[in-house]
Amino acid sequence: AQKITQTQPGMFVQEKEAVTLDCTYDTSDPSYGLFWYKQPSSGEMIFLIYQGSYDQQNATEGRYSLNFQKARKSANLVISASQLGDSAMYFCAMREVYGNNRLAFGKGNQVVVIP
Amino acid sequence: GAVVSQHPSWVICKSGTSVKIECRSLDFQATTMFWYRQFPKQSLMLMATSNEGSKATYEQGVEKDKFLINHASLTLSTLTVTSAHPEDSSFYICSARDGTDGRETQYFGPGTRLLVL
Repeated sequence: AQKITQTQPGMFVQEKEAVTLDCTYDTSDPSYGLFWYKQPSSGEMIFLIYQGSYDQQNATEGRYSLNFQKARKSANLVISASQLGDSAMYFCAMREVYGNNRLAFGKGNQVVVIP
Repeated sequence: GAVVSQHPSWVICKSGTSVKIECRSLDFQATTMFWYRQFPKQSLMLMATSNEGSKATYEQGVEKDKFLINHASLTLSTLTVTSAHPEDSSFYICSARDGTDGRETQYFGPGTRLLVL
């Protein structure tokens, strides 16, 4: 079964607007971590933001915030004030403690920011 | 943030040759590194987990003798694609896990594009 689901088709977003990328996950592990990575066309994977399963607050890192809804098992990424450099693939990933701390990745969301 | 380097970034080789890719954590020590493979427009596929001073753990379906992994120090892991063939052409990317941040965050190298002719 898929552990991380990202089903949105490619998205176009206007510069300076906000965009939300959906991510749902499946785990029976009570302790887990959720990560978002950005992969521009150059290929590097850039760590953006982390949310722990026991964190009470939604994570924020600059223009990135994570809308964590534990009961719904969703961890959506919100990018505010989009910039042209935000055009990339975005991957949601989960680390399960009982999974030897490996990361399970979703299939990714393609975002294109247009001026 | 933590920095991971990977070399080479590009390699083109003839079929039958071996290719070595290095992954280094530059500003932190990593007892665990990971090697992934990525096909165009697909997600990352974990190939193996590399532990310093011990044998790597390979994922199901990954040939151990084909993809040799060595993690000789806390900052260096290498992946050797032995007797490479065109079907091994892919994007290989490593990550190093920072165990000191409480999150076990994996920081990735810039990747290596391998083309086997």
